[in-house]
Amino acid sequence: KNEVEQSPQNLTAQEGEFITINCSYSVGISALHWLQQHPGGGIVSLFMLSSGKKKHGRLIATINIQEKHSSLHITASHPRDSAVYICAVEDTDKLIFGTGTRLQVFP
Amino acid sequence: DSGVTQTPKHLITATGQRVTLRCSPRSGDLSVYWYQQSLDQGLQFLIQYYNGEERAKGNILERFSAQQFPDLHSELNLSSLELGDSALYFCASSAQTLGELFFGEGSRLTVL
Repeated sequence: KNEVEQSPQNLTAQEGEFITINCSYSVGISALHWLQQHPGGGIVSLFMLSSGKKKHGRLIATINIQEKHSSLHITASHPRDSAVYICAVEDTDKLIFGTGTRLQVFP
Repeated sequence: DSGVTQTPKHLITATGQRVTLRCSPRSGDLSVYWYQQSLDQGLQFLIQYYNGEERAKGNILERFSAQQFPDLHSELNLSSLELGDSALYFCASSAQTLGELFFGEGSRLTVL
């Protein structure tokens, strides 16, 4: 079993839909990262959080430390949100990555 | 633009060869991380340097080595290359040991 599990693996949506991507982990962590990888390969850090909730534009990330679970929400999705979203947890001094969720948003 | 520069962007080489990948972190960032992304393994942490010292090691093969120089740029050396080493190699930097990460655009290595 992977230490970091993401669901779903693939997600398609119509423009404007509300999207949720989930991340569960089995190790003790100090923080959790949400990353976005564009089709060209570049990776952008979206959020780093260790408790509660963070919001940036149309993106919201939440984490429940007790349940070892985090969610990434995208409101009013847009085709430019199409990317792979990767959850990664900080375990001591290293990051452990989930396998990613591939999101496609159609107009 | 993340401020992290990786060179080369693309590299094609043959099995048995040695290559060096270079990373310049964001100005002021002390930590540099190397990651490998292959089709079958996803993203894997290789190694971290903080202010010139090795800080943490992940799934880095003995054929691979890295260092961080006094000017904080880092190099990842891959030797005795095998077909399975073909992957995207990312460098990231952060101000301290972990924290918000800033990724370079990656170096795509193809071993033929």
